[in-house]
Amino acid sequence: AQTVTQSQPEMSVQEAETVTLSCTYDTSENNYYLFWYKQPPSRQMILVIRQEAYKQQNATENRFSVNFQKAAKSFSLKISDSQLGDTAMYFCAFMKLYTGTASKLTFGTGTRLQVTL
Amino acid sequence: NAGVTQTPKFQVLKTGQSMTLQCAQDMNHNSMYWYRQDPGMGLRLIYYSASEGTTDKGEVPNGYNVSRLNKREFSLRLESAAPSQTSVYFCASSDTGSSGANVLTFGAGSRLTVL
Repeated sequence: AQTVTQSQPEMSVQEAETVTLSCTYDTSENNYYLFWYKQPPSRQMILVIRQEAYKQQNATENRFSVNFQKAAKSFSLKISDSQLGDTAMYFCAFMKLYTGTASKLTFGTGTRLQVTL
Repeated sequence: NAGVTQTPKFQVLKTGQSMTLQCAQDMNHNSMYWYRQDPGMGLRLIYYSASEGTTDKGEVPNGYNVSRLNKREFSLRLESAAPSQTSVYFCASSDTGSSGANVLTFGAGSRLTVL
């Protein structure tokens, strides 16, 4: 079974600054995907970024980027130029690579990020 | 484009009562899922349906039943609600292609309180 660990329950960052959220995972799989989801106070789960394990290049989406270290089983999220709208709970999630069947996500416990003025 | 729609958004039950959470998606996705979210525990998979006509248990299935009514709809039933089932429930769906990550699209969640 896969496990995902987020060791930072809460973090705070000032507006316009950069923050890094940590995530580690444990798996014996070689082909898989990793995700970061954002959950603002509205409760909606929003996909932030995803990474394919077979790709060495780190994924980026505008102000969001990841540092994927496959050997270390580490997948951190960097948010640059933090904005008040980034205030949310952030979940790291793991997905084994299936074809032709359901793809189940295993979530970490989340990191609550507060962006302050 | 509505995406994934869950009803109801809020519900209060008494211990022992039954209820069904409804979920519908309009993206023609094959797979659907039910998760529950509890404080400090992230989201945990209750049941999933890889395709119409199939359902399988997830990590925490006890006390729940599901029905994949058709390709669009996947319902979650609590036959005899217990306070331990107080939670926020999320429905999600995904496409299952032969390649690429199967990104899950989530509904807005349903907050259930069992007294």
